[in-house]
Amino acid sequence: KQEVTQIPAALSVPEGENLVLNCSFTDSAIYNLQWFRQDPGKGLTSLLLIQSSQREQTSGRLNASLDKSSGRSTLYIAASQPGDSATYLCAVRGTNAGKSTFGDGTTLTVKP
Amino acid sequence: NAGVMQNPRHLVRRRGQEARLRCSPMKGHSHVYWYRQLPEEGLKFMVYLQKENIIDESGMPKERFSAEFPKEGPSILRIQQVVRGDSAAYFCASSPGASTEAFFGQGTRLTVV
Repeated sequence: KQEVTQIPAALSVPEGENLVLNCSFTDSAIYNLQWFRQDPGKGLTSLLLIQSSQREQTSGRLNASLDKSSGRSTLYIAASQPGDSATYLCAVRGTNAGKSTFGDGTTLTVKP
Repeated sequence: NAGVMQNPRHLVRRRGQEARLRCSPMKGHSHVYWYRQLPEEGLKFMVYLQKENIIDESGMPKERFSAEFPKEGPSILRIQQVVRGDSAAYFCASSPGASTEAFFGQGTRLTVV
């Protein structure tokens, strides 16, 4: 059974800092890994999708890496802004019927 | 191509009533997934459906919950005799295949009073 863990559960940083969010998973048999952003009471916004054959993906100030063999992914956010404040969810899509397993998220607060 | 559409966005039900949540997948997508997010928690898988078939319902509660994805029309998640513990956000995702990217809807927030 796939288990996904996100560390830390909460993170508070001053504006402008670079930061790293961590995601680990127990079963390396995956199709892809996806990072989402969720604002309070809102839906999911897809940030980055990494296929199992890829090592990283970049979009603007965001960079996500995937190390399938060690069961780890990181989301790097450069030059953080108050607008980045949200909960970040990591989801691993397994080879077992394609369902995704989510971590519980990291709640990020960027202080002006 | 519109995204995954869920309705209603917000639903209030009294204890004991039925809740029906609808999900229209993206055009060309025949795979639908339902997830539940309890307050302050991550999303938990409930059920995976293809047209007219339930593929995996390992995350569905054994009683009161059912799901369908008919040949025509949206996928429906049905909760009978709702209780306060059913209050949550319910998300639907769709994909064209089991190994392709899944796209999520904005969710339906169910409140049981």
